[in-house]
Amino acid sequence: NAGVTQTPKFQVLKTGQSMTLQCAQDMNHNSMYWYRQDPGMGLRLIYYSASEGTTDKGEVPNGYNVSRLNKREFSLRLESAAPSQTSVYFCASSENRGQGGELFFGEGSRLTVL
Amino acid sequence: SQQGEEDPQALSIQEGENATMNCSYKTSINNLQWYRQNSGRGLVHLILIRSNEREKHSGRLRVTLDTSKKSSSLLITASRAADTASYFCATDHNQGGKLIFGQGTELSVKP
Repeated sequence: NAGVTQTPKFQVLKTGQSMTLQCAQDMNHNSMYWYRQDPGMGLRLIYYSASEGTTDKGEVPNGYNVSRLNKREFSLRLESAAPSQTSVYFCASSENRGQGGELFFGEGSRLTVL
Repeated sequence: SQQGEEDPQALSIQEGENATMNCSYKTSINNLQWYRQNSGRGLVHLILIRSNEREKHSGRLRVTLDTSKKSSSLLITASRAADTASYFCATDHNQGGKLIFGQGTELSVKP
């Protein structure tokens, strides 16, 4: 039982390059989330998917797109990376039966944009 | 922004002492949660307290919630070096299950 798996763990990009962060969960959870973590800023929500087939913007969606491929997988795409997107990205999932429940986090993807 | 505030930003104590961290938020909540993050790792859920609860315990953790003051505190009793980590509060504001995280308290427990 792996929980939430993110790939890649580390990535270095040049400004303007694109990439996709992959996330998969094996807990049959309904909801999935992408957060970014920057020093002194805590975690900020980028996008979330309350259930399969739906996605919604969070606090900081600009420059990102997401795809809820199926119930297990939720990917985050940077179409044209910028240095301001240098961050640690966390995927999370929850059962989310109406109220916000416990989130299960992946180990993070550390992205540097040069 | 609904982002909560935590204080202190950093806390350094000796093993065996108690550690108290505080979290404040701005708008009404369904529940408030505390998470722990070891350096370089993902966050791990510690405890959830609902808006109609005032206190909750889990092992050496004690969480209180005062909805009139829009604040919560996390108490870790008899701290250990292994408790060294960052601690985050997160609030559910009844917006489709998404949580809003505070900026965290960095706890250092010295042996």
